[in-house]
Amino acid sequence: QKEVEQNSGPLSVPEGAIASLNCTYSDRGSQSFFWYRQYSGKSPELIMFIYSNGDKEDGRFTAQLNKASQYVSLLIRDSQPSDSATYLCAVNPHYGGSQGNLIFGKGTKLSVKP
Amino acid sequence: GAGVSQTPSNKVTEKGKYVELRCDPISGHTALYWYRQSLGQGPEFLIYFQGTGAADDSGLPNDRFFAVRPEGSVSTLKIQRTERGDSAVYLCASSLGVLAGGNTGELFFGEGSRLTVL
Repeated sequence: QKEVEQNSGPLSVPEGAIASLNCTYSDRGSQSFFWYRQYSGKSPELIMFIYSNGDKEDGRFTAQLNKASQYVSLLIRDSQPSDSATYLCAVNPHYGGSQGNLIFGKGTKLSVKP
Repeated sequence: GAGVSQTPSNKVTEKGKYVELRCDPISGHTALYWYRQSLGQGPEFLIYFQGTGAADDSGLPNDRFFAVRPEGSVSTLKIQRTERGDSAVYLCASSLGVLAGGNTGELFFGEGSRLTVL
């Protein structure tokens, strides 16, 4: 059973702080990794994707991947109240050029307090 | 269309009834996915189409659930003899389908169909 694990939270941080969201996955052969943001009552929307070990930065967001530890994280710098949402980690466990489905974690609920 | 479109947005039905949920993917997307999301949970994979065929239906919970995509575009998720445990938001997503040509593998989601079985 391929699994993606996240701490459900809630994670509460003050405005302007760094929010750190973590995710582990069970399938060592997984190739690509995604962070989706989901506002209450809305559909998931892509924030970041990462394929290679190391860090990937996009504005206030940094995704970190460590395939040896089967660990993915998302850092949000200068957190804003508008970042308050559930953050879903998703893993594509398929090999080569196959698209396949994504396996999602349960999500971590983030609350940024003004 | 511009995005993934799902209808109906809300459906209330009685236990034992038959339900159809429709998804119209982004134009040009060959891959289409159905997920189910219960309150406080992440999206749970149900079925994935590549073109007209179901490439992976391993997530369908039982034989009351069935999905079709006869012309490789619009898909319908069909639920027979609905049960209260089927209540959830049913999410449809689409993607380019092949990891080439700059495709990131991103899934684009519709707004979902909220099913309530009384």
